[in-house]
Amino acid sequence: DAKTTQPPSMDCAEGRAANLPCNHSTISGNEYVYWYRQIHSQGPQYIIHGLKNNETNEMASLIITEDRKSSTLILPHATLRDTAVYYCIVRVANDYKLSFGAGTTVTVRA
Amino acid sequence: DSGVTQTPKHLITATGQRVTLRCSPRSGDLSVYWYQQSLDQGLQFLIQYYNGEERAKGNILERFSAQQFPDLHSELNLSSLELGDSALYFCASSSSGPYNEQFFGPGTRLTVL
Repeated sequence: DAKTTQPPSMDCAEGRAANLPCNHSTISGNEYVYWYRQIHSQGPQYIIHGLKNNETNEMASLIITEDRKSSTLILPHATLRDTAVYYCIVRVANDYKLSFGAGTTVTVRA
Repeated sequence: DSGVTQTPKHLITATGQRVTLRCSPRSGDLSVYWYQQSLDQGLQFLIQYYNGEERAKGNILERFSAQQFPDLHSELNLSSLELGDSALYFCASSSSGPYNEQFFGPGTRLTVL
């Protein structure tokens, strides 16, 4: 399995963009990058996923470097409700399960 | 609201006992996954069912078993419970395809005393 590395924690100001980095240097060509978040013991929530192109949806943007060894999740206008643990996950080809690491604890401050 | 429901929300029981956790997937989803989240182990995949058949197994103990019924709901059975089984148990569901996102339920918090 490709492993991911995320900073354990980060703070950001309410209303500002939050940029969450993730390293996945051993990612294979057919593996996708997924982002989930978990708000205080609730069930994890899907945010976005991508293969090699940048992706955007109503929640966030995902920027994947050209060599695919790292990615950044961007929350464009962070709110207090975005305070959560954010997980960057690389999905092994034909492996249906999600392998969660420790994630990044993001605290949005007023 | 993800559309995945889990019951009960909380469960308190004693060591050695057996419990059953229930999950109803989102309408139309054929895949159901079970995950365990404990303080020391984080979120760990236990098992996956697809349309009634076991598809993948993770770090699931032999004391634990699961099944998926014809109406697609799933049950996770935990027996001979130990203190270390205290955790949050999440169910998730997804539509067909390995890259489809999984939608998680609110979880069942199990406390073994």
